[in-house]
Amino acid sequence: GDSVTQTEGLVTVTEGLPVMLNCTYQTAYSDVAFFWYVQYLNEAPKLLLRSSTDNKRTEHQGFHATLHKSSSSFHLQKSSVQLSDSALYYCAPRGNYKPTFGKGTSLVVHP
Amino acid sequence: EAAVTQSPRNKVAVTGGKVTLSCNQTNNHNNMYWYRQDTGHGLRLIHYSYGAGSTEKGDIPDGYKASRPSQENFSLILELATPSQTSVYFCASGDYREDEQYFGPGTRLTVL
Repeated sequence: GDSVTQTEGLVTVTEGLPVMLNCTYQTAYSDVAFFWYVQYLNEAPKLLLRSSTDNKRTEHQGFHATLHKSSSSFHLQKSSVQLSDSALYYCAPRGNYKPTFGKGTSLVVHP
Repeated sequence: EAAVTQSPRNKVAVTGGKVTLSCNQTNNHNNMYWYRQDTGHGLRLIHYSYGAGSTEKGDIPDGYKASRPSQENFSLILELATPSQTSVYFCASGDYREDEQYFGPGTRLTVL
């Protein structure tokens, strides 16, 4: 069956340093759309990035990700994190009309 | 702007009682979803709907029922609530595979 694997648990980064959160998707579908959602404390998840185009870099709020269909991966990266980036991040690939979310990665940025 | 609302925002229920969580969307989306969020498990899909009158089982449907009486409204029903159903519940709407989902603010349910 389909499964999504993302960097699990807690990732702690010093302000100003880079971060990468991994996301891969195992599926029988050949055409997959990928999403990253961000959830700040006591808020609802909201869209951060999305892509369905192979090898195209997508950017928003300083974060970027490139979809690689050959490896079904859509890793989230930022070159210099800020304190305000502390949040829960979900990878949510979608091969059919039923959505799937990873277990989430809690990013904590400290001074 | 896309809008999804949920009620109640907080609910305390007793074991064995019936709980109904309501969701309303003004996005005119066909698809609506119910998730629960628990630490270590992320967002898990309970039920979803393709339109008025339809409900489909998600990944963890046991102990939950859903109802979609109209395009705008989607309810989650716990007929016999148990403490293991204590969680935060999110409703979302969104249509096509390439489109984002819009989430409501969440309902915090505590079953004692």
